[in-house]
Amino acid sequence: QKEVEQNSGPLSVPEGAIASLNCTYSDRVSQSFFWYRQYSGKSPELIMSIYSNGDKEDGRFTAQLNKASQYVSLLIRDSQPSDSATYLCAVNMAGRRALTFGSGTRLQVQP
Amino acid sequence: DTAVSQTPKYLVTQMGNDKSIKCEQNLGHDTMYWYKQDSKKFLKIMFSYNNKELIINETVPNRFSPKSPDKAHLNLHINSLELGDSAVYFCASSSPGSLNTEAFFGQGTRLTVV
Repeated sequence: QKEVEQNSGPLSVPEGAIASLNCTYSDRVSQSFFWYRQYSGKSPELIMSIYSNGDKEDGRFTAQLNKASQYVSLLIRDSQPSDSATYLCAVNMAGRRALTFGSGTRLQVQP
Repeated sequence: DTAVSQTPKYLVTQMGNDKSIKCEQNLGHDTMYWYKQDSKKFLKIMFSYNNKELIINETVPNRFSPKSPDKAHLNLHINSLELGDSAVYFCASSSPGSLNTEAFFGQGTRLTVV
């Protein structure tokens, strides 16, 4: 089992729809969770962090965390073509001193 | 002002050569990292330094040697380059006083070994 798992996609949604990106992790005692966006040929850019169970909203982005299910998700409302990118889930795992990344989900927003 | 900067952005070299990548951060962070991103976009930690002290050294060939002259700089030297070393190498840093917060990435160095 991979430590951080994501569906590689591509996930294709029409412009204006809600895009839902999912991530599961193996370490039950993980404390911090992050979503990065990476455009093709660019570096990962932090867009959301979440530390406690529930939802955290920032503009069109909502991160959701369920530690009991070891599941974290990212919702993008009113998706725009400019949201087309690879979204990387990253987890701060106990005892690790660096983030552990999933392999990313490629999102395509169709105009 | 670039927060985490690495040079060069592109590096094309022949097998067997030795090359270095440099990284500098002006965020005042104590911790710096080297990540490798393969063709499938998987980002894997290679090394991490905290205040010039090596704290992470993953299973990486000995041909890779990091050096941190001070907490704002972390360089990566690669000896005897192989075809499989072709990847994008990212430098990153994280905020002071903590070893496990979000990382901020440099623009990456695309290494191509021919």
